[in-house]
Amino acid sequence: EIVLTQSPTTIAASPGEKVTITCRASSSVSYMYWYQQKPGASPKPWIYDTSKLASGVPNRFSGSGSGTSYSLTINTMETEDAATYYCQQWSSTPPTFGSGTKLEIK
Amino acid sequence: EVQLVETGGGLVQPGRSLKLSCVASGFTFNNYWMSWTRQAPGKGLEWVASITNSGGSTYYPDSVKGRFTISRDNAQNTLYLQMNSLRSEDTATYYCTRMTPGPNWFAYWGQGTLVTVSS
Repeated sequence: EIVLTQSPTTIAASPGEKVTITCRASSSVSYMYWYQQKPGASPKPWIYDTSKLASGVPNRFSGSGSGTSYSLTINTMETEDAATYYCQQWSSTPPTFGSGTKLEIK
Repeated sequence: EVQLVETGGGLVQPGRSLKLSCVASGFTFNNYWMSWTRQAPGKGLEWVASITNSGGSTYYPDSVKGRFTISRDNAQNTLYLQMNSLRSEDTATYYCTRMTPGPNWFAYWGQGTLVTVSS
């Protein structure tokens, strides 16, 4: 099973700040996927195929990476971006998720 | 608009069974793999089961293999999860999810149904 390790676990950012969340895989994966989840809500698909934004995702978000190292970046933090973000792979079965990064507003 | 509506959650005693349902709409159900994913209270996401678009093949992690069964009725646009021999660690919100062709990721999620396993 491929283990996904996200860092940091928690991060606080001020509006306008640049934020980067990292996801490291225990083995190489072809693509990484990201979800945003706010309290009491279902996860929302956020970034697919490593760098493509899901419908409705603001273009201040971007995704990048390859092999075992991937990242989600927010170019300029906004208050509505406060949420928990999860990475996910299905290059090999079972599909696995990272443990999540909680992004808070400073 | 894709909609996934789960039902069937509730409080159940350890060792008992429960069956979840998910009614899908807004897309051609029999064209897509479907999955169940769960989230224990205050915890992260865990894949529970997947089924091919025809229902001919199913997949499970070791944590539920032999206890859970995913199935589908393409005529009724409905996905099921039969959960047997439930344990306290199965307590979670269970989400019905639609996959993308590949399958690669969980492209659409339902609102979830809470299953609590407790005596």
